[in-house]
Amino acid sequence: AQRVTQPEKLLSVFKGAPVELKCNYSYSGSPELFWYVQYSRQRLQLLLRHISRESIKGFTADLNKGETSFHLKKPFAQEEDSAMYYCALYNQAGTALIFGKGTTLSVSS
Amino acid sequence: DAGITQSPRYKITETGRQVTLMCHQTWSHSYMFWYRQDLGHGLRLIYYSAAADITDKGEVPDGYVVSRSKTENFPLTLESATRSQTSVYFCASSEPRQSYEQYFGPGTRLTVT
Repeated sequence: AQRVTQPEKLLSVFKGAPVELKCNYSYSGSPELFWYVQYSRQRLQLLLRHISRESIKGFTADLNKGETSFHLKKPFAQEEDSAMYYCALYNQAGTALIFGKGTTLSVSS
Repeated sequence: DAGITQSPRYKITETGRQVTLMCHQTWSHSYMFWYRQDLGHGLRLIYYSAAADITDKGEVPDGYVVSRSKTENFPLTLESATRSQTSVYFCASSEPRQSYEQYFGPGTRLTVT
């Protein structure tokens, strides 16, 4: 079965602290994985795609096939990082995304 | 650059009424999607369309109907609204030949009383 699991509903950190948003997946073969972000009152937007291996807004994510994980990390959280973060996986047919339930990140000063 | 738009942005309707949510994109993307966003469930796919006149069910299609007579439009109809359909609905589009990225609309907040 294809599935994305985000075990944390809410992650609260202080400004300047490291952040790790967890994502685990279930998939047969080579997955296409993404992180999407939704800031308050804004639409969802793509943050990262695992193939690009870019760092966007200081965030990185590494695909670990052994642990079937795609955790999102940032060494120093900023208040503007507060948002809802969704991990997503392209389905086997390559036609649609399967989203996790999302993690709300709250960064306070 | 209009991108992808949804209307209405907010809607309150009564149980049993029919309501249609509109989605329009200006990129000529072949794929379009409808999701609902609920606390505790995240985003769940309702229906998607790979091209005009081609639609397919997602994870939670019951109670919804879609059509796609034109590439740029993908309306979602609730034939007889129920309280359980109170949600935020997001439309998205993508062009897999160019990129796997999905572009999302601003959402429609629907309340069924």
